[in-house]
Amino acid sequence: GQNIDQPTEMTATEGAIVQINCTYQTSGFNGLFWYQQHAGEAPTFLSYNVLDGLEEKGRFSSFLSRSKGYSYLLLKELQMKDSASYLCAVKDSNYQLIWGAGTKLIIKP
Amino acid sequence: DADVTQTPRNRITKTGKRIMLECSQTKGHDRMYWYRQDPGLGLRLIYYSFDVKDINKGEISDGYSVSRQAQAKFSLSLESAIPNQTALYFCATSDLQRDTGELFFGEGSRLTVL
Repeated sequence: GQNIDQPTEMTATEGAIVQINCTYQTSGFNGLFWYQQHAGEAPTFLSYNVLDGLEEKGRFSSFLSRSKGYSYLLLKELQMKDSASYLCAVKDSNYQLIWGAGTKLIIKP
Repeated sequence: DADVTQTPRNRITKTGKRIMLECSQTKGHDRMYWYRQDPGLGLRLIYYSFDVKDINKGEISDGYSVSRQAQAKFSLSLESAIPNQTALYFCATSDLQRDTGELFFGEGSRLTVL
């Protein structure tokens, strides 16, 4: 079966750095997405990786290793507004998105 | 105004009732989707449509039906609601022309079936 694993919850301190991991086992791979979802709101797009390596976008970076079935989202200079759930999703061989359950990130002052 | 609009935003209903959730978009995207989200689970695809004449079942279509009335409108119906259909429902769109195929979500419709 297809599976996306992410930690359920993480806690970090304002101003610090946090890395949220995602491992996947899917039938084929056509890209990996990270979305941010604040409580009670819609998910919003953060990043897309289709090739190995690091993609940097401001305070957020996303890394992919296709051979390891692994990605991480790195958040720097954490702010209180970064408290949210972070969803990892993989596009499989049929171009269907398989979603992880999300990682709830709690930022403490 | 939101580019992807869902109505109603919140609905409480009783078992056996028919419910329709509506989605409209101003993004001009061809592709539209309905997902449900439950605590502790990833988003699960119910139905998707790549154009007005194209409707496809997703992972969990049983108990649901959809209608694509126009490029901009995609409705989800629960013919006879049951309590385990209590969930947060999201409509989403995507643009065929974008390489990433990222999804743009509506604000969500919270449905409670008693």
